[in-house]
Amino acid sequence: RKEVEQDPGPFNVPEGATVAFNCTYSNSASQSFFWYRQDCRKEPKLLMSVYSSGNEDGRFTAQLNRASQYISLLIRDSKLSDSATYLCVARRGDDKIIFGKGTRLHILP
Amino acid sequence: DVKVTQSSRYLVKRTGEKVFLECVQDMDHENMFWYRQDPGLGLRLIYFSYDVKMKEKGDIPEGYSVSREKKERFSLILESASTNQTSMYLCASSPLSYGEQYFGPGTRLTVT
Repeated sequence: RKEVEQDPGPFNVPEGATVAFNCTYSNSASQSFFWYRQDCRKEPKLLMSVYSSGNEDGRFTAQLNRASQYISLLIRDSKLSDSATYLCVARRGDDKIIFGKGTRLHILP
Repeated sequence: DVKVTQSSRYLVKRTGEKVFLECVQDMDHENMFWYRQDPGLGLRLIYFSYDVKMKEKGDIPEGYSVSREKKERFSLILESASTNQTSMYLCASSPLSYGEQYFGPGTRLTVT
């Protein structure tokens, strides 16, 4: 089983819709979690950290469920510019930073 | 704003050449990382460093070495480039053991 797993997609979603991704992690020692977005042929950019209490940044909401070992990302009122690959990350120390392979999102006009 | 820069965006080298990729961060981060990213394989850690002159192997260190002589600078060296090292190379830095990483723009290396 991969340590961090994501549905690769693609998710094809009409503009204005709400879309949610989940990401599961297998190592319960993971301490911190993040969502990154990556545009084609560009570097990953930090979207948000994920806290146990859940956190929101504008149209984006991230949740962590330690009991079931998954994190989620919700995007409300999706925009064309949200089209990208979304990477989830679980970290447990200096070198144990595990990236999922990403979920591709296409927002359709 | 955190800034991580990489010496080249695109690089073409011949098989057997020695290749230097340089990364500089301006936020006084302790941790720095080198990854490669290939289609279908995701991000793979090559080496990381948690302090000046310290280095640790990642998941795929074979064929690579690194150097960290100053806190802000972390270099990746391909001693003798091979075609299977054609890839996108990404440098990242991080302020804390459990903190977020910030990536440079990447170097797309082609070895012919």
